[in-house]
Order: sequence, then structure tokens, then C-alpha cells
Amino acid sequence: KAGVTQTPRYLIKTRGQQVTLSCSPISGHRSVSWYQQTPGQGLQFLFEYFSETQRNKGNFPGRFSGRQFSNSRSEMNVSTLELGDSALYLCASSLDSGGRGEQYFGPGTRLTVT
Amino acid sequence: AQRVTQPEKLLSVFKGAPVELKCNYSYSGSPELFWYVQYSRQRLQLLLRHISRESIKGFTADLNKGETSFHLKKPFAQEEDSAMYYCALSGRGTGGYNKLIFGAGTRLAVHP
Repeated sequence: KAGVTQTPRYLIKTRGQQVTLSCSPISGHRSVSWYQQTPGQGLQFLFEYFSETQRNKGNFPGRFSGRQFSNSRSEMNVSTLELGDSALYLCASSLDSGGRGEQYFGPGTRLTVT
Repeated sequence: AQRVTQPEKLLSVFKGAPVELKCNYSYSGSPELFWYVQYSRQRLQLLLRHISRESIKGFTADLNKGETSFHLKKPFAQEEDSAMYYCALSGRGTGGYNKLIFGAGTRLAVHP
């Protein structure tokens, strides 16, 4: 099976702009979780989607949003970018609940905000 | 509060030495715990979970509810074990469903 894919792999944006990241899960997986990874904070949970519904949300401002499509592909959007949003954004898919089973991670999208 | 603490940012050992990566958790209820590993230029991947009680690549981890710990151990470290290790807890999310809560990670460096 093909692994989790994320596009784009690298992105450079300016403060105030918005960005959309995409994640395609492993075929058959219904759950997609998003994480922000930074050297100082480690992996911080953003949100999880399951069958097009948001199941959980982490402690991030409303500028961070996401959605999931009927084919389980997911997107996350960050509006009004800030310098502190520079990070590696990881998505992970799982067969069922992301919080209970094994999660399969993508390679990440490296976002740099200047 | 639900929390995972990995007290060491870096653990440096020589090849053949024993390794113990520490993980402590805070959770009210019966915890489910995992260790994930990220090798250089590879994706984050599951190493082991406590409910399976298996040894993967020579690593084991025992859940100690009294000490709220889930330390990762290996009797003889190999250079290929050098990686970033994350301890994770399956905790209750705001939506009522479980989510993974990760520790800050420990970088293991095994020297020849």
C-alpha cells in the first residue's frame, strides 16, 4: 500500500498570508490527524478528522482549521500567518480512531513564514 | 491533566551499553501508551505499544502504574538505534474521542 502523502513538501509564505496543506491517507484509512512539530514544543496535536467530521481539536487558535473529504483526503488551512507558525506539519492516518490505534505518518510539510 | 514527560532531551551512550529512555505520564484512568521512533530522514513510526507486550528491535517497555512510568529499555545499544524517540499517551480529547498526546522526545545517540 502507498504510504501517507503530503503536499507540498516545502512552503515559504509571508506574514499575513494564508496557506493550505494537503494530506492523502493510506487507502482504507478513515482517520486523519494533524500535528505541528517544532524543536521546542515537540509534536502538538492540531485536530483529527474521521469520516468528514472533526472529532478532536487541540489548543490552537481559530486561524488553524481543517476539513476532510469523502475520499478521506484532508486539508488544513492557516490564515493570517505569523512567524511562530513556522514548523513541520505532520499528518497521520489510521484505520479507525487515531487515538487508539497505530498512526501512520506522512513526511510532513515544512512551512517557513517570513 | 493529561501529560507525557520525557525528562531527557539527549541520551548519549556507547555501543553495547544498556539504554533506558524515560517516560512519565499523568492520566486519570487506564492508560494506553506507545513509543514512536523517528530515524534520520525517515518518517515517524510506531515502535511498540504497551498492550502488545512485545519486544521490537530488542526494545521493551513496561507500564508501571504505581510510578506512572513507561520507560523504554534495551540491554545492548546498537549504532542503528540512534534516533528520536517519542513516548505517547492515548488521552481523552475535547470531542470525547481519544487522541495521542506526545512527549517532547528524547534523542538517542549511540557512539561506536
